[in-house]
Amino acid sequence: EVQLVESGGGLVQPGGSLKLSCATSGFMFSASEIHWVRQASGKGLEWVGRIRTRANTYATFYGASVKGRFAISRDDSKNTAYLQMNSLKTEDTALYFCTRWINDGMDVWGQGTTVTVSS
Amino acid sequence: SYELTQPPSVSVSPGQTARITCSADTLAKQYAYWYQQKPGQAPVLVIYKDTERPSGMPERFSGSSSGTTVTLSISGVQAEDEADYYCQSADSSGTYVFGSGTKVTVL
Repeated sequence: EVQLVESGGGLVQPGGSLKLSCATSGFMFSASEIHWVRQASGKGLEWVGRIRTRANTYATFYGASVKGRFAISRDDSKNTAYLQMNSLKTEDTALYFCTRWINDGMDVWGQGTTVTVSS
Repeated sequence: SYELTQPPSVSVSPGQTARITCSADTLAKQYAYWYQQKPGQAPVLVIYKDTERPSGMPERFSGSSSGTTVTLSISGVQAEDEADYYCQSADSSGTYVFGSGTKVTVL
């Protein structure tokens, strides 16, 4: 069974940092792009960023609202992707999903991990 | 950055056809993808590359494209189709975006 499981969410103060993990199983992780998508309570989906595969030099791309503050990485030996979030703002409060992309869209999603930025 | 424009809501009676549009200049050159999200659940891919249906997705879900507008159609709408629907695309720089979402209400 294909699975993605996010972890690492929690409460953090404005200006703080947090690192989310996306542990995967059941598919060839090394051949898959991984995307992070977030959703504030009662709001729509917002694309956060993505990391490509080794064949594509692990290139990363980010949405405008997080560029320069967030960084995506991956460890193919652990089938896990990460989202390092720095300089957190209250508006970063959201449910964070990881999802895979293999040519045909974001076809499998995790259930998300909640990040709350508050003093 | 760019935006994908969707109507906030669509209402439809059971058995009728719901149509949700998504517009942006980039859609003339980039594929669109559609996701369904029910309350408390993760999104589910319902259409990819404008018109393709993932394995296992009911045939009542279909996609079409014309110029800068793509459309998700749900024919023979059922109560279980009540959900939020998001279009998604990418630009030439490699960044992705979601539309603001459309709430489909089955009357």
